[in-house]
Amino acid sequence: KAGVTQTPRYLIKTRGQQVTLSCSPISGHRSVSWYQQTPGQGLQFLFEYFSETQRNKGNFPGRFSGRQFSNSRSEMNVSTLELGDSALYLCASSATIGQGEETQYFGPGTRLLVL
Amino acid sequence: AQSVTQPDIHITVSEGASLELRCNYSYGATPYLFWYVQSPGQGLQLLLKYFSGDTLVQGIKGFEAEFKRSQSSFNLRKPSVHWSDAAEYFCAVGKLFGNEKLTFGTGTRLTIIP
Repeated sequence: KAGVTQTPRYLIKTRGQQVTLSCSPISGHRSVSWYQQTPGQGLQFLFEYFSETQRNKGNFPGRFSGRQFSNSRSEMNVSTLELGDSALYLCASSATIGQGEETQYFGPGTRLLVL
Repeated sequence: AQSVTQPDIHITVSEGASLELRCNYSYGATPYLFWYVQSPGQGLQLLLKYFSGDTLVQGIKGFEAEFKRSQSSFNLRKPSVHWSDAAEYFCAVGKLFGNEKLTFGTGTRLTIIP
């Protein structure tokens, strides 16, 4: 099975612009989570989507949004970019078939640099 | 609220020596615990996980971890490290069910010296 894929792998944007990142989960996985990773804050949970619905949300401003499509692919969008949004954005998928005994599998990440 | 503490920010080990990375957690119920490894510029790769049962868990690449409920710990061990083990290691606790999520520690960077 192919792993989690994320596109693009690298992005350079300027302040005030917006950006859309894409994630394709492992085939059959219905849950997609997004994380922001920075040297100062570590891995921070952004949100999780399951069956096209946002099921869980971290503590990020409304500039960060996401969605999930019927094929479980997910996108996240960041509007009005700030310098502090520079980070590695990681997507993770899980099958979500049981009562919580699930494992998240991560993609390679999208490295976003905001200038 | 659930939390994970990895007390060691950076550890340096000689190649061939044994390794133990510490992880302490706080969780209201029986924890689900994970160790992930991240190489520079890469995503996270699952090393091993604990859901229930045997408290000594075997993972990939020769790693193992032991769940100790009395100490709220889930330390990662390897008897003999290889230069390719140099990476950052993350411990996580949580359950992917309903509105729950995983919480990650801040990571331990492992350097291997010849």
